[in-house]
Amino acid sequence: DSGVTQTPKHLITATGQRVTLRCSPRSGDLSVYWYQQSLDQGLQFLIQYYNGEERAKGNILERFSAQQFPDLHSELNLSSLELGDSALYFCASSAGLVSGETQYFGPGTRLLVL
Amino acid sequence: GENVEQHPSTLSVQEGDSAVIKCTYSDSASNYFPWYKQELGKGPQLIIDIRSNVGEKKDQRIAVTLNKTAKHFSLHITETQPEDSAVYFCAAAPYNAGNMLTFGGGTRLMVKP
Repeated sequence: DSGVTQTPKHLITATGQRVTLRCSPRSGDLSVYWYQQSLDQGLQFLIQYYNGEERAKGNILERFSAQQFPDLHSELNLSSLELGDSALYFCASSAGLVSGETQYFGPGTRLLVL
Repeated sequence: GENVEQHPSTLSVQEGDSAVIKCTYSDSASNYFPWYKQELGKGPQLIIDIRSNVGEKKDQRIAVTLNKTAKHFSLHITETQPEDSAVYFCAAAPYNAGNMLTFGGGTRLMVKP
């Protein structure tokens, strides 16, 4: 158990809908990262938050947004969903911002868009 | 940006044999190279990592080597066991991009008893 929790475990929804994925980092970790894992794209970095502020952006679509709250939990919002958004979404956390800090991954949320 | 290539994509070995997975990276600014193991239905789990000031690191049956000049790094698993069967990912992080990881495409390792 990494100490990172994600809810829900599974999510089935329809095209055009909006969903929210939730992540709680390990106790004491200030950085939260979101990754998407799909069969054709592998594990791709989406976005990073540190202590409530956005710090780095990867290949995140404009339809996707995230935030980190004062209690350090984070939410990833996916809107106007398309079939191609079906994937595993992982949250990871690390202590801070230093390059080379271990990232601990949660169990993921499996999203299926029908 | 960084690009990480990993091969082979699948690897089948007999129990007790060694397994080697190789990765290459493109960004000379990368200085942190972790390896993750992902079992079915679970999130990736760090198994070993190496930083650019070190050429080799060992942890029991697992070792990682880094060649900064050639921009490649490898994972070596000796005396493989059935529980080593999983998908393994290499990753790289540049020193100047926070802690953002770029992952390789993954290797599915199957250890036959």
